[in-house]
Amino acid sequence: GAGVSQSPRYKVAKRGQDVALRCDPISGHVSLFWYQQALGQGPEFLTYFQNEAQLDKSGLPSDRFFAERPEGSVSTLKIQRTQQEDSAVYLCASSLGSGGSEKLFFGSGTQLSVL
Amino acid sequence: QKEVEQNSGPLSVPEGAIASLNCTYSDRVSQSFFWYRQYSGKSPELIMSIYSNGDKEDGRFTAQLNKASQYVSLLIRDSQPSDSATYLCALRKAGTALIFGKGTTLSVSS
Repeated sequence: GAGVSQSPRYKVAKRGQDVALRCDPISGHVSLFWYQQALGQGPEFLTYFQNEAQLDKSGLPSDRFFAERPEGSVSTLKIQRTQQEDSAVYLCASSLGSGGSEKLFFGSGTQLSVL
Repeated sequence: QKEVEQNSGPLSVPEGAIASLNCTYSDRVSQSFFWYRQYSGKSPELIMSIYSNGDKEDGRFTAQLNKASQYVSLLIRDSQPSDSATYLCALRKAGTALIFGKGTTLSVSS
């Protein structure tokens, strides 16, 4: 596709359920990022991949959050035993290279609501 | 102290005026600075990047960087109602991900 694709667009989960959010980056993009954006806040960094390697996961808020990118393309963010405070928009972004000046392209996000 | 600080606003300006958005950051080793625009319910889109001290102009937008004072600003000339959005300041250090401020909401009235 032409841009970063995320699915599902909306997800409603009951507290305690596990969820999996998918990100399909732009073809050939080396770097992939996950962000969490709560209402009225800026995006908060969660984790970063360069190809299949997870180089930084310092932003993951707890061990209930897990991300993978096994073949260096599609990535999945998994949240186990969801809590109400996990309700947010989860944004995925990719960039062609890994340099600090690289432009990030964002997907439309997955809006997660935990009831 | 957060790495990137922005006044959340809202900043209200009349159509045709200059909107001035400001951002300060705490880590002097930050190397790259960005302004993203985010419409309600949409994802952020890059509007300006700046890497060295001084001004950088692109159409109606001017980004200003002052590394000694650790601030970045964005000026929008001839503001239009379509500029009404949240403006996110972001920075990046070598080998790290983009770090965002919480954003400033701009409202341009016609």
